Amino acid sequence: AQSVTQLDSHVSVSEGTPVLLRCNYSSSYSPSLFWYVQHPNKGLQLLLKYTSAATLVKGINGFEAEFKKSETSFHLTKPSAHMSDAAEYFCVVSDDRGSQGNLIFGKGTKLSVKP
Amino acid sequence: NAGVMQNPRHLVRRRGQEARLRCSPMKGHSHVYWYRQLPEEGLKFMVYLQKENIIDESGMPKERFSAEFPKEGPSILRIQQVVRGDSAAYFCASSTRQGGYTFGSGTRLTVV
Repeated sequence: AQSVTQLDSHVSVSEGTPVLLRCNYSSSYSPSLFWYVQHPNKGLQLLLKYTSAATLVKGINGFEAEFKKSETSFHLTKPSAHMSDAAEYFCVVSDDRGSQGNLIFGKGTKLSVKP
Repeated sequence: NAGVMQNPRHLVRRRGQEARLRCSPMKGHSHVYWYRQLPEEGLKFMVYLQKENIIDESGMPKERFSAEFPKEGPSILRIQQVVRGDSAAYFCASSTRQGGYTFGSGTRLTVV
């Protein structure tokens, strides 16, 4: 069975400082991993995805994530936070069993950015 | 390309009424997924449909909930006799056969 654990429910950083949002996954299959962002009362926007190519994945808005199989982690980082980054972030896993699987979402991490 | 369109954006229903949520997938997408987001929770898979077929409904509550994706028109998620616990954001996503999910902006259902 697949699962995703987001280790922090809330992260607070100052503007201009680095962001680290942690995610660990469990999957019996070769997983695809995603990070989505949700701004208040908005839909979900895909930040980046890993699908067994390069382990360091670059996404939109300066975010990137590194797939570490040995640690079963897929942490999201950004070198310098911006006020507009304040939102909720979801780590997501999907299996690749050949048929369309469904997405398994973590519980989310709320990112606050202080001026 | 208009993306995944969900309507209404907000829906208020009294307990016992029916709620109908619509989702029009992206052009060229033949797979539709419904997810529910309860307050302070991540999204939970409900159902996966292709045109005229339910492929996986393992996340659907056994009673009062149904979904369809007819040959013509949008996918519909129907909740009969709503209760307060149905209050949530319901998101639809669509994809091609190869994957590549795109989410809609969601319908926020409030049961009063």
